[in-house]
Amino acid sequence: DTGVSQDPRHKITKRGQNVTFRCDPISEHNRLYWYRQTLGQGPEFLTYFQNEAQLEKSRLLSNRFSAERPKGSFSTLEIQRTEQGDSAMYLCASSLGPGTGRYEQYFGPGTRLTVT
Amino acid sequence: AQTVTQSQPEMSVQEAETVTLSCTYDTSESDYYLFWYKQPPSRQMILVIRQEAYKQQNATENRFSVNFQKAAKSFSLKISDSQLGDAAMYFCAYNRGSEKLVFGKGTKLTVNP
Repeated sequence: DTGVSQDPRHKITKRGQNVTFRCDPISEHNRLYWYRQTLGQGPEFLTYFQNEAQLEKSRLLSNRFSAERPKGSFSTLEIQRTEQGDSAMYLCASSLGPGTGRYEQYFGPGTRLTVT
Repeated sequence: AQTVTQSQPEMSVQEAETVTLSCTYDTSESDYYLFWYKQPPSRQMILVIRQEAYKQQNATENRFSVNFQKAAKSFSLKISDSQLGDAAMYFCAYNRGSEKLVFGKGTKLTVNP
């Protein structure tokens, strides 16, 4: 059983460029979550999916951010026209769905984004 | 909105001693879940322990145990026989089942040899 994987692990981009991150959840997990973590802070929720349906988006998620999970497996998070304030660690997590009684989320290693 | 507060930005403990990390939370829900996660330097978030609010019995995982006080909305983590590998950021988190996690700001734990 492989864990949650994320690609790339590090991304350096110039302000104004678009970037896309990928997350592969644990295979039997229906729910997939994206969080953002800045230095010295706890992760902040961005969005989450139940299979391919996006169920909630944070108000933190500006219209420059878009996420999708087209086949209910892997997910992508795209940031358009990056700004220096987007520099952060982007974490992906997955969990079993509702009704299972097992609600712990398992995290990937994260993608560290640096916008120069 | 639910909030999670960790009032200790940093804690230190001697190897083999016991340390307790504090967490309080605010919610109007009666059914929810609480977690402690560990994030070693430059490494990924690892689940340490979980607690269901409907369970009165405190969760225990080897050297890690919690003191869950539902009425006080308190959820502290006790680490016994501390080891050098326990050094990390510890985050307290809350959710209502399979929904988003709400995290505290974390406590940095240093273990001194």
